[in-house]
Amino acid sequence: NAGVTQTPKFRILKIGQSMTLQCAQDMNHNYMYWYRQDPGMGLKLIYYSVGAGITDKGEVPNGYNVSRSTTEDFPLRLELAAPSQTSVYFCASTTGSGEKLFFGSGTQLSVL
Amino acid sequence: QKEVEQNSGPLSVPEGAIASLNCTYSDRGSQSFFWYRQYSGKSPELIMFIYSNGDKEDGRFTAQLNKASQYVSLLIRDSQPSDSATYLCAGGGNYQLIWGAGTKLIIKP
Repeated sequence: NAGVTQTPKFRILKIGQSMTLQCAQDMNHNYMYWYRQDPGMGLKLIYYSVGAGITDKGEVPNGYNVSRSTTEDFPLRLELAAPSQTSVYFCASTTGSGEKLFFGSGTQLSVL
Repeated sequence: QKEVEQNSGPLSVPEGAIASLNCTYSDRGSQSFFWYRQYSGKSPELIMFIYSNGDKEDGRFTAQLNKASQYVSLLIRDSQPSDSATYLCAGGGNYQLIWGAGTKLIIKP
C-alpha cells in the first residue's frame, strides 16, 4: 500500500517554463488536495477535488491548474513559472471532510 | 479573512516536562481541529484531532478545545527528544482547512 505518491521530489524551473506535478493515491479516497508551504509558513490550499471530474479553487489558485479524470490521480499544472511559485508542494488525500489527511512526501520546486 | 494563529517559537522544554502548544482561530464556523507534527524536510503527520469542547487524550498527548474562546491547545506529557518538531494547528469545516504557521518545539535532553 503506497499511500500518496508525489513526483518529482525536486525540480528547478526557469522563469516562464511549465511543468506538471504528479500525485497518485491508492486508498480510493474521494477527496484530494494540493497545498504549498513557504518557509516558516503554514499550508496554503491551491486546489482541491471531492471526486473524479470535480475540482475547485482554494486560497491561492492563480498560476496553477488541476484536473481529476480518475479517483487515483490529481496532477497540478504550473503554467509560465514565476519566482513566487518557489515553494514546497504537498498533495494530500482523505476519505471525507474533517477526516485525517494523508500526505505525499512533497516536491521542492525552485523557479530561477 | 479566516485565520489560525500560533506562536512560531521556538518553544524549548526540558526532556520529561510538559510541552504546551496553543492556537487561536477566527472562524466561529470551524467544526474540526487538528494537530499535525512536521519534522524538518518531511510531510505533516496527524497527532490529534478534536471536534467537541473539552479534552481528548491519546497516550502522552492531550488536545483541548474551547469554542467560546476560540482556542485549541496540545499538551505533550513526558516530552522526549523525538518530539522536537514543528507542530501545525489546523481548523475548518466542509472541504477546507485553515492552517497556522506552526510552533517549533525543541526538547532539551
